[in-house]
Amino acid sequence: DVKVTQSSRYLVKRTGEKVFLECVQDMDHENMFWYRQDPGLGLRLIYFSYDVKMKEKGDIPEGYSVSREKKERFSLILESASTNQTSMYLCASRPQTGSITEAFFGQGTRLTVV
Amino acid sequence: QKEVEQDPGPLSVPEGAIVSLNCTYSNSAFQYFMWYRQYSRKGPELLMYTYSSGNKEDGRFTAQVDKSSKYISLFIRDSQPSDSATYLCAMSAGPSGTYKYIFGTGTRLKVLA
Repeated sequence: DVKVTQSSRYLVKRTGEKVFLECVQDMDHENMFWYRQDPGLGLRLIYFSYDVKMKEKGDIPEGYSVSREKKERFSLILESASTNQTSMYLCASRPQTGSITEAFFGQGTRLTVV
Repeated sequence: QKEVEQDPGPLSVPEGAIVSLNCTYSNSAFQYFMWYRQYSRKGPELLMYTYSSGNKEDGRFTAQVDKSSKYISLFIRDSQPSDSATYLCAMSAGPSGTYKYIFGTGTRLKVLA
């Protein structure tokens, strides 16, 4: 059974804290993604990575950074958490090749910044 | 204008009804069209996908693509309470993993027993 695992389901952090969200996949996928999901705005791409140590900005990268030191692990970092970063964060992985490169999602991390 | 537009709902229907969920898009380069289902407090999961225009059927679910109108639909026949979820359309211009998926905002569906 394929799996994308996010380290936390729920997190509460204070404004100004540095926050780490971890994601691990066991499918040997090349591509990994971080999205945030907000009501009425849908899934918005923050960052993605198509290889170890490679990263690309998505549509809303401001206030975030990422790290991919190993193929199976993709971390999202909030350098200084702010209340407008309260959201559901979803990690996904996709293979590079295939007839349709299905995205497999983790369960999500609901982050509240107070 | 967003690249992909989807009515957020919520949509409430009685059990057994036929449900129609729709998305419109503006980018004519999109060739791959997907529907993801997301249950409450879970990540989205791929339900169906189609390439280019036409229909695809899988059990009670039918996906339709009309590229001339830039319009895609998901039909659910004999809807069940277990179909209650948020349905997200997604599109991309190519199959490989480096092509970005563009997601709709999702339509929340509730099927009443």
